[in-house]
Amino acid sequence: ELKVEQNPLFLSMQEGKNYTIYCNYSTTSDRLYWYRQDPGKSLESLFVLLSNGAVKQEGRLMASLDTKARLSTLHITAAVHDLSATYFCAANSGGGADGLTFGKGTHLIIQP
Amino acid sequence: DAGVTQSPTHLIKTRGQHVTLRCSPISGHKSVSWYQQVLGQGPQFIFQYYEKEERGRGNFPDRFSARQFPNYSSELNVNALLLGDSALYLCASSWRLAGFFTDTQYFGPGTRLTVL
Repeated sequence: ELKVEQNPLFLSMQEGKNYTIYCNYSTTSDRLYWYRQDPGKSLESLFVLLSNGAVKQEGRLMASLDTKARLSTLHITAAVHDLSATYFCAANSGGGADGLTFGKGTHLIIQP
Repeated sequence: DAGVTQSPTHLIKTRGQHVTLRCSPISGHKSVSWYQQVLGQGPQFIFQYYEKEERGRGNFPDRFSARQFPNYSSELNVNALLLGDSALYLCASSWRLAGFFTDTQYFGPGTRLTVL
């Protein structure tokens, strides 16, 4: 059974700082997704990572995937208040139709 | 273009009742998946439907059922509601069968179900 673990689960940081959210998954997965959720809102797709060594960047967010270590990271550079949200990583147990398995989410608060 | 739409947005039911939630996928998308998100947790997969057939099922009791219509919209039904069914129910659509392909799943705004 695929399990996805994120850490930290809660993160409070100051604007302008850098930080990394970690996502470990327990069994082989050939793709990794990152989503953002604002309070009371639905999930917004950020990144889809498809292969070992994949790196994607959008603005101040950069995601990477190491399939050998079963680890994905979401790096935040020079954080701004607008990035405050809950971030989820999710994996799919390769080739099945059983949907995504999500981590518990990282609740990120960025303070001025 | 319209995104994934869901109705109703909020719903209050009592224990033992039945509920039907509805979802319309993005135009052209043929796959619809349902997820349950309990407060403070990540979404948990319930079903995936593709071309009107169930293609995947998560670890939920038989009280949960769903179907997909010829226009690719979908309904999620929950019978004999329990307090623990209180959650945000999210619908996601993708062009092809999610899992076999790498298509991104796009999520709707959700239906907030409260069971009293």
